[in-house]
Amino acid sequence: DIVMTQSPSSLAVSAGETVTINCKSSQSLLSSGNQKNYLAWYQQKPGQSPKLLIYLASTRESGVPDRFIGSGSGTDFTLTISSVQAEDLADYYCQQHYSYPLTFGSGTKLEIK
Amino acid sequence: EVQLVETGGGLVQPGNSLKLSCATSGFTFSTAWMNWIRQTPGKRLEWLAQIEDKSNNYFISYLESVKGRFTISRDDSKSSVYLQMNNLKEEDTAIYYCTTGNWFDYWGQGVMVTVSS
Repeated sequence: DIVMTQSPSSLAVSAGETVTINCKSSQSLLSSGNQKNYLAWYQQKPGQSPKLLIYLASTRESGVPDRFIGSGSGTDFTLTISSVQAEDLADYYCQQHYSYPLTFGSGTKLEIK
Repeated sequence: EVQLVETGGGLVQPGNSLKLSCATSGFTFSTAWMNWIRQTPGKRLEWLAQIEDKSNNYFISYLESVKGRFTISRDDSKSSVYLQMNNLKEEDTAIYYCTTGNWFDYWGQGVMVTVSS
């Protein structure tokens, strides 16, 4: 199984700052066939279901603000949130969709100071 | 508007069974790959099972630790997906979500399953 390791587990920032969340996979998520990385990011606000932000490592889901940026390749990935807003208070999860079983990172809790 | 509504959760004793249902609308269910995912009380997300569409012969994948206890199925005529859970254990206590695709673009609101004596 591919193990997804997220860091940090939590962080607190002030509104307007830039946040970086890291996700490392135990195996490469890069498909040699199409050169795409099979990594997704989700946001879960308090009391809500998770919401897809990014798929294929860097493709933003429709309607997701462009301050959410996914990057990385192979085994190392990053979710960057620029100019964090109060509404970004949430847990963030990475997930590999490269092979079964599909697996998630343990999550990063983002708090706003 | 896409909607996924899970039902069938509740309190059940260890060793008993439960069947979850997920009714959907707002998208072409018959061509969608459907999943069940759970979130533990510690907020860990765990993919459980996936069923592909008719063109892929309704191929099914399971998390190894639930294979043989959980069964995913679908009814395209009702735009619904199901999860039959047998021999439930206390560690199956979680919120259960149905979702679409391989990257999970739509989620239901979830249904709570509590396994306790």
